[in-house]
Amino acid sequence: DQQVKQNSPSLSVQEGRISILNCDYTNSMFDYFLWYKKYPAEGPTFLISISSIKDKNEDGRFTVFLNKSAKHLSLHIVPSQPGDSAVYFCAASLNSGNTPLVFGKGTRLSVIA
Amino acid sequence: EAGVAQSPRYKIIEKRQSVAFWCNPISGHATLYWYQQILGQGPKLLIQFQNNGVVDDSQLPKDRFSAERLKGVDSTLKIQPAKLEDSAVYLCASSATSGGAYNEQFFGPGTRLTVL
Repeated sequence: DQQVKQNSPSLSVQEGRISILNCDYTNSMFDYFLWYKKYPAEGPTFLISISSIKDKNEDGRFTVFLNKSAKHLSLHIVPSQPGDSAVYFCAASLNSGNTPLVFGKGTRLSVIA
Repeated sequence: EAGVAQSPRYKIIEKRQSVAFWCNPISGHATLYWYQQILGQGPKLLIQFQNNGVVDDSQLPKDRFSAERLKGVDSTLKIQPAKLEDSAVYLCASSATSGGAYNEQFFGPGTRLTVL
């Protein structure tokens, strides 16, 4: 039962262009959504998050959009840089505070110079 | 600020053997999580501690997995006996505790377990 789905295992984008990573979820009780970035042999690192009461959150080159009616969120990276090449995990939580995260399978982003 | 420490980084064992992983969370973080990440999958929660008490162990295979956090700081995760399907990266994460706001989880580098 995959509650958080990332249907694209990989994505290649040219440097300077926009990267769009997508995520769908099935549990309407999820209240908080996050994106984590993971480099090889390292643990995931937090990138950006959004509460269910918002539809957009922006942090520098990274913007997350949430469409609650469609149970869909996306991460936009503009402009993409070679250092952005990593695996990106979408995660969801039932509420804020200290609750476990439910992760998608990840999307491997390759930014080509 | 030091991050979450885990050891060993890599471990290779044969099936039916035992193995233990250690985690030292960020100083002052009351909440500690163990996640299992199988190749090609996202991390999946095994157990969550709040100080030295278990908050959620519903997905921990208790017939072979055990975990403890005796003094509310370090934690160990043990597998006994290991099966082939336990091959995965075991990630430890910690977070601070503050009412209401989301508390970011900080992850360690993980322990990659290979069961032969």
